[in-house]
Amino acid sequence: DTGVSQNPRHKITKRGQNVTFRCDPISEHNRLYWYRQTLGQGPEFLTYFQNEAQLEKSRLLSDRFSAERPKGSFSTLEIQRTEQGDSAMYLCASSLGAGPRVGELFFGEGSRLTVL
Amino acid sequence: AQKVTQAQTEISVVEKEDVTLDCVYETRDTTYYLFWYKQPPSGELVFLIRRNSFDEQNEISGRYSWNFQKSTSSFNFTITASQVVDSAVYFCALSEATGTASKLTFGTGTRLQVTL
Repeated sequence: DTGVSQNPRHKITKRGQNVTFRCDPISEHNRLYWYRQTLGQGPEFLTYFQNEAQLEKSRLLSDRFSAERPKGSFSTLEIQRTEQGDSAMYLCASSLGAGPRVGELFFGEGSRLTVL
Repeated sequence: AQKVTQAQTEISVVEKEDVTLDCVYETRDTTYYLFWYKQPPSGELVFLIRRNSFDEQNEISGRYSWNFQKSTSSFNFTITASQVVDSAVYFCALSEATGTASKLTFGTGTRLQVTL
């Protein structure tokens, strides 16, 4: 049983560059989430998908951020014109959605972004 | 707005001691879910428990137990006879009790260090 896979695990970039992260969820999970975690803080919700539809976006997700899940399987999170404040761990999670396991998110190991 | 407060930033105990992690929450919702997640040094958040706001029964799972008190808006987590493998950051989280619990609001976490 493979878990949630994220890559790259680490990305160092210069301010102003674009970066893209990929998340492969657990195959039978129809819901996919992106969270951001900075040092010493809990994860903050960014956005979530049900299948290919993006159903909710946080106001934290500025217009420089875009997420897609084109075929309802893997997802990408792109950050354009990166800023030093974007440095964080970007966490992907998936779940079965509603039912007895509601809220039980399966997280990946995260993609750490460092913006110089 | 929802808010979760974990006032204990870091706790150190010696193996076999009992330890309680505190969680206080704020929400205007009349029904909601509460969660605990564990983040070991590997970084991958692991789901531990979900409670529905209308179910105030305490729960025990092995060495873990949870005390939910709606009157004080608290959802505390106790580890009995702690072990070194319990060393991790523990997050309390809250979501609205829709069928999907799509967005979790996390606290800032409590780092638990268990030593021999």
